[in-house]
Amino acid sequence: GAVVSQHPSWVICKSGTSVKIECRSLDFQATTMFWYRQFPKQSLMLMATSNEGSKATYEQGVEKDKFLINHASLTLSTLTVTSAHPEDSSFYICSARRVQVNEQFFGPGTRLTVL
Amino acid sequence: KQEVTQIPAALSVPEGENLVLNCSFTDSAIYNLQWFRQDPGKGLTSLLLIQSSQREQTSGRLNASLDKSSGRSTLYIAASQPGDSATYLCAVNAGGTSYGKLTFGQGTILTVHP
Repeated sequence: GAVVSQHPSWVICKSGTSVKIECRSLDFQATTMFWYRQFPKQSLMLMATSNEGSKATYEQGVEKDKFLINHASLTLSTLTVTSAHPEDSSFYICSARRVQVNEQFFGPGTRLTVL
Repeated sequence: KQEVTQIPAALSVPEGENLVLNCSFTDSAIYNLQWFRQDPGKGLTSLLLIQSSQREQTSGRLNASLDKSSGRSTLYIAASQPGDSATYLCAVNAGGTSYGKLTFGQGTILTVHP
């Protein structure tokens, strides 16, 4: 149990376009999901906390108008990178919090490359 | 602001050796601590979760300890195998108003050679 999926697993896009990444909890409900980004050979940095039915909370330095987060149901959160630029190229990972034990389960990640 | 440090940054050991990975954190007011494994280009796999009230957790060849007062955790891997090669991350789960947010260390890259 406690499986989290992400789609797509990788995406290449042109500079200026928008890209949507989905994060799904497959066998449990997640009122809270988290979005992280990871640069090569670096650790994960929390971007935002996504709460079902309410606005996301962004970490300092993360542009909320550039990284749009929607958490429309208890099993799905989406991250849209708007007007992507090459510096947005990164590995984006989501996690879903299983409330009963406050444990986070992570998706497999999405590799975004902006040309 | 919570800071998490992992030592060593990289470790190479022969198969069969027992090893210890270290994690330290600056703010002892934590809710729990998790150890993860990450394979190259992949997501994170949760290994062990220790609640702030616990001293240790065990799963198979893995044992994690927590000393909250001194801000330290260790991950002990017994009888290491080449399949254990990966990056190991510890993450601290804050409490209070930052409940649920994880702060990660930089990771320890482990290589177990046959």
